[in-house]
Amino acid sequence: DAKTTQPPSMDCAEGRAANLPCNHSTISGNEYVYWYRQIHSQGPQYIIHGLKNNETNEMASLIITEDRKSSTLILPHATLRDTAVYYCIVFNDYKLSFGAGTTVTVRA
Amino acid sequence: DTGVSQDPRHKITKRGQNVTFRCDPISEHNRLYWYRQTLGQGPEFLTYFQNEAQLEKSRLLSDRFSAERPKGSFSTLEIQRTEQGDSAMYLCASSLATGSALQFFGPGTRLTVL
Repeated sequence: DAKTTQPPSMDCAEGRAANLPCNHSTISGNEYVYWYRQIHSQGPQYIIHGLKNNETNEMASLIITEDRKSSTLILPHATLRDTAVYYCIVFNDYKLSFGAGTTVTVRA
Repeated sequence: DTGVSQDPRHKITKRGQNVTFRCDPISEHNRLYWYRQTLGQGPEFLTYFQNEAQLEKSRLLSDRFSAERPKGSFSTLEIQRTEQGDSAMYLCASSLATGSALQFFGPGTRLTVL
């Protein structure tokens, strides 16, 4: 699996956009980028995924660079309930390979 | 609630005892996965089933670990002769066998080995 690199932590003010970067420079052409998050003491939760194009759903937006070597997850209006560990995963098989993720703390 | 349930939610046991965890996936999902998560780390893949067939096992799954999915529905994960290093959160997830990474996770079973 392609390795991903994420900052270990970041803070965000409530109501502001949170931009979470992820580097995946060894990604292959058929590998998708998936984002999951894990709120304390819960199982991981799917957020969004993409291959080449930018994607948006009710939870977030995903911006993938043209060379596909990095991506950014955008939480448009962060709330306190968005405080969690966010995982960027490159997927091309059956299993999810989680790294350490980015711990996002949303502050009032 | 994702529709995936796990039982028990918490288990405290003494070193050397056997423990068994159960996972009930979303009913129409034919793939079922087990992950292990230690404090401060992301989940690590242990094994997965497609229907009742166990298709892949991680090197993390030592001989003391066994998983079953006898009728392609619920699954059990048993740990024999538990060790303190087995203390972790054990997560179950399920998905459709579409090649997608869209997995739905249960709340996990937290195991503490004393």
